[in-house]
Amino acid sequence: DTEVTQTPKHLVMGMTNKKSLKCEQHMGHRAMYWYKQKAKKPPELMFVYSYEKLSINESVPSRFSPECPNSSLLNLHLHALQPEDSALYLCASSLGYSNQPQHFGDGTRLSIL
Amino acid sequence: QQQVKQSPQSLIVQKGGIPIINCAYENTAFDYFPWYQQFPGKGPALLIAIRPDVSEKKEGRFTISFNKSAKQFSLHIMDSQPGDSATYFCAASWSSSNTGKLIFGQGTTLQVKP
Repeated sequence: DTEVTQTPKHLVMGMTNKKSLKCEQHMGHRAMYWYKQKAKKPPELMFVYSYEKLSINESVPSRFSPECPNSSLLNLHLHALQPEDSALYLCASSLGYSNQPQHFGDGTRLSIL
Repeated sequence: QQQVKQSPQSLIVQKGGIPIINCAYENTAFDYFPWYQQFPGKGPALLIAIRPDVSEKKEGRFTISFNKSAKQFSLHIMDSQPGDSATYFCAASWSSSNTGKLIFGQGTTLQVKP
């Protein structure tokens, strides 16, 4: 079992829907990450939060909106997604972000109809 | 220059064999090199990581060899088992970026036959 918990495990949504992905960790990690992973490809970094502040946005479209309510929680709000956004969305956390091991959750499998 | 090139793309070995996965990089600022193992339907799990001041690191049946001058590092899996069948990703990062950003290789799909 991973120590980074992501919900839901699967999500199917239409292009006009609004939904949110949730990530939770209780390891005291202060850096949290969102990645997108397509089939047979490596994870691609989307956002980095450090001490609950957004520190990196890898030019992600505004239809993805991250939020870090507290040091243990990370959300990804989704709105007006496109079919090409269908992917596995992974959350990760690390103690700090300078060469610290990143621990991944098992992801949310997102399908856009 | 921020790429990490991983090979081979796929690998099939018999049980007990020693699969070797290689990665190469150009950016000499990289100073942290983790390996991740990913099973279908799961997130990547950190296997082992190395820093450039060490030439080899072992954890159980997994060994990283690091060649700083050649800018290459590799993963060896000793006495491989069918349960090792998974996708393996090498990665690199650099502390001076202050971002935690990992540069991943393209992945190697390993199949260990019984």
